[in-house]
Amino acid sequence: DQQVKQNSPSLSVQEGRISILNCDYTNSMFDYFLWYKKYPAEGPTFLISISSIKDKNEDGRFTVFLNKSAKHLSLHIVPSQPGDSAVYFCAASANEGAQKLVFGQGTRLTINP
Amino acid sequence: DAGITQSPRHKVTETGTPVTLRCHQTENHRYMYWYRQDPGHGLRLIHYSYGVKDTDKGEVSDGYSVSRSKTEDFLLTLESATSSQTSVYFCAISGRDEQFFGPGTRLTVL
Repeated sequence: DQQVKQNSPSLSVQEGRISILNCDYTNSMFDYFLWYKKYPAEGPTFLISISSIKDKNEDGRFTVFLNKSAKHLSLHIVPSQPGDSAVYFCAASANEGAQKLVFGQGTRLTINP
Repeated sequence: DAGITQSPRHKVTETGTPVTLRCHQTENHRYMYWYRQDPGHGLRLIHYSYGVKDTDKGEVSDGYSVSRSKTEDFLLTLESATSSQTSVYFCAISGRDEQFFGPGTRLTVL
């Protein structure tokens, strides 16, 4: 039973435009959500997080939106740059922090020049 | 970068042989994790540790065991490797707000 789902295996976006990556979850106990970025042959690196008490968190070009009623979160990247091409994972936890994360399957983002 | 190293980085082994992967941290974090990454599945938790000699199972623990005798080291053992355990294995440590990942170990079981 996949508790965290990223239904788009891949996404292609033109450089300079907005990239929107989506993530859905089923466990209503999740209260903390994270996005990770992964390049080939490297470990995932943390991008941005959001607590369930918020509906938006912004860090530079990256913004995460949380819709608790829909059990949906999204990551917006504006403007998209070639270096953003990577696999993006969303993750969730039920302990108000980063212990015992449950990850989605990942979305491969390709930024085209 | 968080001080996490994994060894070996690559390993090819044969079915039925024992394999041990090592994760070493220099951050003195209490929590450590082992994940495997497979196409279509994302990252799945194998085992985790919340202190020396304190470990617990994750989502896909069958066929794996772990040990943590020191804060800085977390070992993952495949007692008898199978082809289904061919994967990329990541170790992670967590602070309050995020997990930091090691560079990964690519394991191939023939």
